Amino acid sequence: AQKVTQAQTEISVVEKEDVTLDCVYETRDTTYYLFWYKQPPSGELVFLIRRNSFDEQNEISGRYSWNFQKSTSSFNFTITASQVVDSAVYFCALSGRNYGQNFVFGPGTRLSVLP
Amino acid sequence: NAGVTQTPKFQVLKTGQSMTLQCAQDMNHEYMSWYRQDPGMGLRLIHYSVGAGITDQGEVPNGYNVSRSTTEDFPLRLLSAAPSQTSVYFCASGYRDSPIYEQYFGPGTRLTVT
Repeated sequence: AQKVTQAQTEISVVEKEDVTLDCVYETRDTTYYLFWYKQPPSGELVFLIRRNSFDEQNEISGRYSWNFQKSTSSFNFTITASQVVDSAVYFCALSGRNYGQNFVFGPGTRLSVLP
Repeated sequence: NAGVTQTPKFQVLKTGQSMTLQCAQDMNHEYMSWYRQDPGMGLRLIHYSVGAGITDQGEVPNGYNVSRSTTEDFPLRLLSAAPSQTSVYFCASGYRDSPIYEQYFGPGTRLTVT
């Protein structure tokens, strides 16, 4: 069975600090996809990134960066120079190759960025 | 495009009542799903559809029915509501962007069953 673990339930940082959100996954599939979503206080789900199992390149998008390591089954998310607007719940998710197949979300990490 | 729309935004039901949560998308997406979000558990897949007339069960299908008669609509029916179904429900639609699919979420419906 597929599983996503986000061990950090809540994190608080002061604005401008860097913060890393951890995601560890379990799957027996050789082809799989990893996602990060943001859920701000307003409640909607915002897609941030997806990564497939064959692409271990790290990615940077502005203040966001992602580190994918198959050897440790981790897909960590770093926010550099955090801002108050980054306060949200962040979900890591794992999917099989086909739609609906084992699409599993982690429990989420609540990030609070204090001014 | 309105994207993925869900109605109602909020609903309170009594145990045993039935209701339908509506989901519609105007992006001609073939894929649609329903998830529920409970505190500390992330989102869990209830049912999904890979096209009109085709539906399948997800991780937590019990107590819910779905049908997909058109590409645009994917309603979720609660036949006899129970307090355990108190949750936030998200509908999503998606299309294949080979080899994976893109998925877009609706704004959610907050359901309370008393």
